[in-house]
Amino acid sequence: DGGITQSPKYLFRKEGQNVTLSCEQNLNHDAMYWYRQDPGQGLRLIYYSQIVNDFQKGDIAEGYSVSREKKESFPLTVTSAQKNPTAFYLCASSIVRGDRGSQPQHFGDGTRLSIL
Amino acid sequence: AQSVSQHNHHVILSEAASLELGCNYSYGGTVNLFWYVQYPGQHLQLLLKYFSGDPLVKGIKGFEAEFIKSKFSFNLRKPSVQWSDTAEYFCAVNAGGQGGKLIFGQGTELSVKP
Repeated sequence: DGGITQSPKYLFRKEGQNVTLSCEQNLNHDAMYWYRQDPGQGLRLIYYSQIVNDFQKGDIAEGYSVSREKKESFPLTVTSAQKNPTAFYLCASSIVRGDRGSQPQHFGDGTRLSIL
Repeated sequence: AQSVSQHNHHVILSEAASLELGCNYSYGGTVNLFWYVQYPGQHLQLLLKYFSGDPLVKGIKGFEAEFIKSKFSFNLRKPSVQWSDTAEYFCAVNAGGQGGKLIFGQGTELSVKP
């Protein structure tokens, strides 16, 4: 079954610690995205990547970093510089067709990050 | 800056009632429009999408949405809701020339009473 796998489902972080959230897709999609979901704020884009070895900042990139070394993987690191990291993090992927803009994004089940 | 606004944060309906969830966006150019649904404990799923053509689009589970360009709106409707429609609904917009980037609304939580 094709899809997006996020791990772990729950993650706890100590103050001052960096943590990395995993996102893997086997849909052969070029584009991948990371969102942060907070109650009453919808989904806010952290980073996105439309091709391997390239990525762009979204609306709330401060305190986060990403890499895209492989097409199927787009890990997100929440650094100690992120002052309010407690949230639900969603990874997504999509086909990108330049003349049609965005195609529907497929989402993973999410990772819930909490601060100890 | 581009934005998406969903007017209702929490809607409570009884089964068989009609539903309309509002969505407005701020962008003057070509847009692709989406509604996603997140059922309790599940991942976000695409409900329906609009790229071009007929402004009335039909999605899964009896949902439909109408794109009104002059009003910058893409409201979601369902004639008769069921208890299983209880979920959070998100409107999202992709602005032309921005690749795959989506801007989401704040979400509307729908509770349907049996």
